Amino acid sequence: AQSVAQPEDQVNVAEGNPLTVKCTYSVSGNPYLFWYVQYPNRGLQFLLKYITGDNLVKGSYGFEAEFNKSQTSFHLKKPSALVSDSALYFCAVRDMMDSSYKLIFGSGTRLLVRP
Amino acid sequence: DAGVIQSTRHEVTEMGQEVTLRCKPISGHDYLFWYRQTMMRGLELLIYFNNNVPIDDSGMPEDRFSAKMPNASFSTLKIQPSEPRDSAVYFCASSPGLAALNEQFFGPGTRLTVL
Repeated sequence: AQSVAQPEDQVNVAEGNPLTVKCTYSVSGNPYLFWYVQYPNRGLQFLLKYITGDNLVKGSYGFEAEFNKSQTSFHLKKPSALVSDSALYFCAVRDMMDSSYKLIFGSGTRLLVRP
Repeated sequence: DAGVIQSTRHEVTEMGQEVTLRCKPISGHDYLFWYRQTMMRGLELLIYFNNNVPIDDSGMPEDRFSAKMPNASFSTLKIQPSEPRDSAVYFCASSPGLAALNEQFFGPGTRLTVL
């Protein structure tokens, strides 16, 4: 069965510092991996995805994520955090071998960037 | 581009009443998804459609829940009768073809409160 774990409920970081939001996954085959962000009272917005190719994926708003197959991880990173990055972040996975188009979402990590 | 439209942002109803949530996907998208978000259970996929046909409704919690997609530009999620535990934010999302590879575009959500 597919699953996604976001081990941290909340991540706190000072503005200007690098940030990392962790995600690990479990699938039977190869994964398609996604990061979404949710601002208050809004729907989820797509940030970036890994399908194949380069393990380092760059996305919107300066975010990037690194796919690590051996560690089954897809951590979200940004070199310099902004207060406006404060939001709820979701990692999601789909198993390439799964004929279903269901995305499995993690429980979410709240990012708080303090000025 | 208008994005996914969920024109009702807040819906309040009383226990036992029927409630219908509405969604207009992005034009040209072949897939439509209904999610429910709560603090306790996170983001749950309820049902999804491909070309207006329901593909997987295994996430629909009970027979009280039903969803339809009469055409490519409109979908409904109905709860009859509603119960207080149905209170949640309901999101609609759509995705273009090759949905396994493509991100989903979320609407702003409808916050349902059942008194």
